[in-house]
Amino acid sequence: GENVEQHPSTLSVQEGDSAVIKCTYSDSASNYFPWYKQELGKRPQLIIDIRSNVGEKKDQRIAVTLNKTAKHFSLHITETQPEDSAVYFCAASIRAAGNKLTFGGGTRVLVKP
Amino acid sequence: DADVTQTPRNRITKTGKRIMLECSQTKGHDRMYWYRQDPGLGLRLIYYSFDVKDINKGEISDGYSVSRQAQAKFSLSLESAIPNQTALYFCATSAGGAILVTDTQYFGPGTRLTVL
Repeated sequence: GENVEQHPSTLSVQEGDSAVIKCTYSDSASNYFPWYKQELGKRPQLIIDIRSNVGEKKDQRIAVTLNKTAKHFSLHITETQPEDSAVYFCAASIRAAGNKLTFGGGTRVLVKP
Repeated sequence: DADVTQTPRNRITKTGKRIMLECSQTKGHDRMYWYRQDPGLGLRLIYYSFDVKDINKGEISDGYSVSRQAQAKFSLSLESAIPNQTALYFCATSAGGAILVTDTQYFGPGTRLTVL
């Protein structure tokens, strides 16, 4: 089955700096890659996603890039703010197979003011 | 997201007890999922259901069972709880069906289960 590796497990950045989280996946058939943000004590919420027919997607301060050949995708957060502090999860799935998500282990991001 | 609710929110039980976690949704979604979250392991899929008559095992179904009582309700049972089932459990939903399929999964607030 699919395996998703996520790095780093923790990331500390200064407010205003950029943060990058990287994920690799094993199943070349995967074609949907969402990113979820989980604040302390809260439920995971989708922040951005990308499908395999697109190489990059942006939404304000966040962007995701996908390299299908290398089977890795990354989340970029620019101009980090304290409210970006949370745990971020990447995931991968095959849309035609019911979109069962396989998650990475998570990255705890701390933005220091 | 108040459209997906879980009960109870917290539960402490003893080894060997049967316990049921319930999930309800008012989003009208066909697809429902149960995940388990452990520190450093992300979320892992336990069971999923695409409609009332469709139940499928996920990657870690051993020791768990589910029931899809209606489109809006999906319950997870631990027949005989053991300490390593102590975790945070999330229900999620997504739209599906013949006409519209979207990818986004919406999570419930979670149930923190402790097995002593």
